[in-house]
Amino acid sequence: DAGITQSPRHKVTETGTPVTLRCHQTENHRYMYWYRQDPGHGLRLIHYSYGVKDTDKGEVSDGYSVSRSKTEDFLLTLESATSSQTSVYFCAISESKLAGGLREQYFGPGTRLTVT
Amino acid sequence: RKEVEQDPGPFNVPEGATVAFNCTYSNSASQSFFWYRQDCRKEPKLLMSVYSSGNEDGRFTAQLNRASQYISLLIRDSKLSDSATYLCVVNRVDSSYKLIFGSGTRLLVRP
Repeated sequence: DAGITQSPRHKVTETGTPVTLRCHQTENHRYMYWYRQDPGHGLRLIHYSYGVKDTDKGEVSDGYSVSRSKTEDFLLTLESATSSQTSVYFCAISESKLAGGLREQYFGPGTRLTVT
Repeated sequence: RKEVEQDPGPFNVPEGATVAFNCTYSNSASQSFFWYRQDCRKEPKLLMSVYSSGNEDGRFTAQLNRASQYISLLIRDSKLSDSATYLCVVNRVDSSYKLIFGSGTRLLVRP
């Protein structure tokens, strides 16, 4: 299994509070991703990183920010948590892309976040 | 139309059966294709990449049909442990950093 950990694994928080989720990898992979997974929607990309300090938005980035100051760590921050952000959050990593394609992604164990 | 479409199932099959899933994708320029498996309340795990010539890994066979824009997964001799949701995954052509995940097909293998 790829060396990816996420913390915390479970969190309950109140509406309006900031929350930071951490993804840590030991694989030295360049690309890192944050997804959320909700029933009926599948996996949706929030933000991704293609190198240290290089990040970009995914399809559901509103209300979220990210930072990557080291290759191994990718942080996801909910600036002011809302009930609609209750979800399971997965981090993923990927190596540099092959010519003409993209390598597979490997996922962390997930964080279950409940916003009350 | 969704970029990656799958039949949500569930497919309910007896042990030992052969079962096949199809997945269609909308962008003909897509170049990378994968099948992932996800168990309940767990992270997705790579099952296999899908190559143009088709590929096999034990009881699992993946095929790619570029002309019709679909990929398939065939599972032979189903085991109880194959019960899971199978996700079809394709790269997003506007940025090769990103993958698009289908919503998954649920498989239930019964004794």
